[in-house]
Amino acid sequence: QVQLQESGPGLVKPSETLSLTCTVSGGSINDYYWSWIRQPPGKGLEWIGYIYYSGSTNYNPSLKSRVTISVDTSKNQFSLKLSSVTAADTAVYYCAREVGATRIDYWGQGTLVTVSS
Amino acid sequence: QTVVTQEPSLTVSPGGTVTLTCASSTGAVTSGYYPNWFQQKPGQAPRALIYSTNNKHSWTPARFSGSLLGGKAALTLSGVQPEDEAEYYCLLYYGGAQVFGGGTKLTVL
Repeated sequence: QVQLQESGPGLVKPSETLSLTCTVSGGSINDYYWSWIRQPPGKGLEWIGYIYYSGSTNYNPSLKSRVTISVDTSKNQFSLKLSSVTAADTAVYYCAREVGATRIDYWGQGTLVTVSS
Repeated sequence: QTVVTQEPSLTVSPGGTVTLTCASSTGAVTSGYYPNWFQQKPGQAPRALIYSTNNKHSWTPARFSGSLLGGKAALTLSGVQPEDEAEYYCLLYYGGAQVFGGGTKLTVL
């Protein structure tokens, strides 16, 4: 059973960089796409971007200028960096596994990141 | 800016049948958009239900089914159970980019 676990600071100051890591267990990070998705409190889901295990990436155009997703296959982890954050970036951040970039099957439990001074 | 539209809310009686739809601002939804459906209950992560229009995951209850209906992706729940009360989201793929619908809050009453 594949499991994903997000980790990182729960509080980030405005204008700083949000950094999260997703650790994959119960399966290999190889041969899959790995996504970050967020959900502001009380609102819907927003796809942030994904990375293939080989390192190729694809980002939401609305966030592309601020997002970097990277992968460390030796640790079975992938990471998200979102720069120049504002209060609008406050959300629960989920990591998820994508198969063939056509379906999402497994999700992490999510982690709340609050942007506040 | 591509927009994916779902009904904001629907109500169904226990044991009844309900269909949720997912429309694209770019036109008719086809199988090439690989429609996915997810269920989210309060305080929980989303759970995958349907992929590529009508394929179920191994854990998806038989009462959930996906289809294309009138140019939209559709999720039908037959024999609705009280535990099906939740928010449902669709996801469409646009040649690399992915866009979630705004979600449908399903009430079982």
